[in-house]
Amino acid sequence: GQQLNQSPQSMFIQEGEDVSMNCTSSSIFNTWLWYKQDPGEGPVLLIALYKAGELTSNGRLTAQFGITRKDSFLNISASIPSDVGIYFCAGQTGNQFYFGTGTSLTVIP
Amino acid sequence: GAVVSQHPSWVICKSGTSVKIECRSLDFQATTMFWYRQFPKQSLMLMATSNEGSKATYEQGVEKDKFLINHASLTLSTLTVTSAHPEDSSFYICSARDPGGAGGLATQYFGPGTRLLVL
Repeated sequence: GQQLNQSPQSMFIQEGEDVSMNCTSSSIFNTWLWYKQDPGEGPVLLIALYKAGELTSNGRLTAQFGITRKDSFLNISASIPSDVGIYFCAGQTGNQFYFGTGTSLTVIP
Repeated sequence: GAVVSQHPSWVICKSGTSVKIECRSLDFQATTMFWYRQFPKQSLMLMATSNEGSKATYEQGVEKDKFLINHASLTLSTLTVTSAHPEDSSFYICSARDPGGAGGLATQYFGPGTRLLVL
């Protein structure tokens, strides 16, 4: 199936730094979702976005649904060691659901 | 958030045996569930879409006779890996679509995954 372009592929940052990752698609989506996956576990939903231009926060996480409906970004402020993991974006339209390629985040204490 | 469970969380089996994995949505009804396979350090690969009361829709390259999917109720889908072989060893994850998520909008929730090791 289709995969969304997610960047960067990996990030190594110092604890306390802010993080930004984004996801782009050639297709329009009605919903953008961001997930975090810890090793050996299933992805956990972080933020769901349902309207173009929508900006939503969940604690230190902020995500935006792009105006064109073809992209989304996720920001993490003041990173902490437990932010380590793989972050996936996902675009959804009707019953069609597509994943991004993932961003692996490493936080150095 | 909504909870999706998977059972078992891990399984080791001999080559040639069949393994059944269950996926349950615990606090919502899911007319659609999805089954994914994930290899180490890679994204999730969609195997099939499971629709309650009808046949599953398989992605290209996924053998439907090898990976049997049954969506018997609005809260349960099962994936059976038939005649498993070592190359079937992987991390299998299900997800369920909650049609009435936050604000009445559809949201997707994932199970914790099942690690399969075929000897």
